[in-house]
Amino acid sequence: EPEVTQTPSHQVTQMGQEVILRCVPISNHLYFYWYRQILGQKVEFLVSFYNNEISEKSEIFDDQFSVERPDGSNFTLKIRSTKLEDSAMYFCASGTGGHVGNQPQHFGDGTRLSIL
Amino acid sequence: DQQVKQNSPSLSVQEGRISILNCDYTNSMFDYFLWYKKYPAEGPTFLISISSIKDKNEDGRFTVFLNKSAKHLSLHIVPSQPGDSAVYFCAASGNSGYALNFGKGTSLLVTP
Repeated sequence: EPEVTQTPSHQVTQMGQEVILRCVPISNHLYFYWYRQILGQKVEFLVSFYNNEISEKSEIFDDQFSVERPDGSNFTLKIRSTKLEDSAMYFCASGTGGHVGNQPQHFGDGTRLSIL
Repeated sequence: DQQVKQNSPSLSVQEGRISILNCDYTNSMFDYFLWYKKYPAEGPTFLISISSIKDKNEDGRFTVFLNKSAKHLSLHIVPSQPGDSAVYFCAASGNSGYALNFGKGTSLLVTP
């Protein structure tokens, strides 16, 4: 079964540094998402991306964050200047579109981001 | 801002018995509800969903019930198996596009 792949599985970065998290969505999917889960808390929506532009974003997704689909297969999340509170598990998800219930989002295994 | 709440952080059930996981929500604009299952070191895996126009959806051992007036849904697993031991997340969508609002999860342990 096709799956969403994320790299790296664990990223350790100094505070203030830029970090790029990478995702390869399922090939025929059109909608792409980033979520994060801070340790002990719930999974939180960050941003959705469709047709090469952001379709929704949460309050968390401020100017420090950006997303890009640089080619036909990758989907990236960039954090410009990392803060300690950015430490979390970041999940990428993709979907075919249509209603979310009939076309559920498929999640990758996540990238654990640790900010020192 | 907890629009989706799972008030039981953990549940332990014997193999073969029924597991019932509960979820409450506050936003009446949600129109789709989903359950995801998550094993350690893996991402959430879609399990089952239900539209707000239905009150029950069944898929094998898994059944989701929706009570719109109470803003409550539940996931029933019958019979429970040790391989069902995982964290179960309730999620909802519909008030703003496709973004999923998750609960904090319930850790299910099925004992032999």
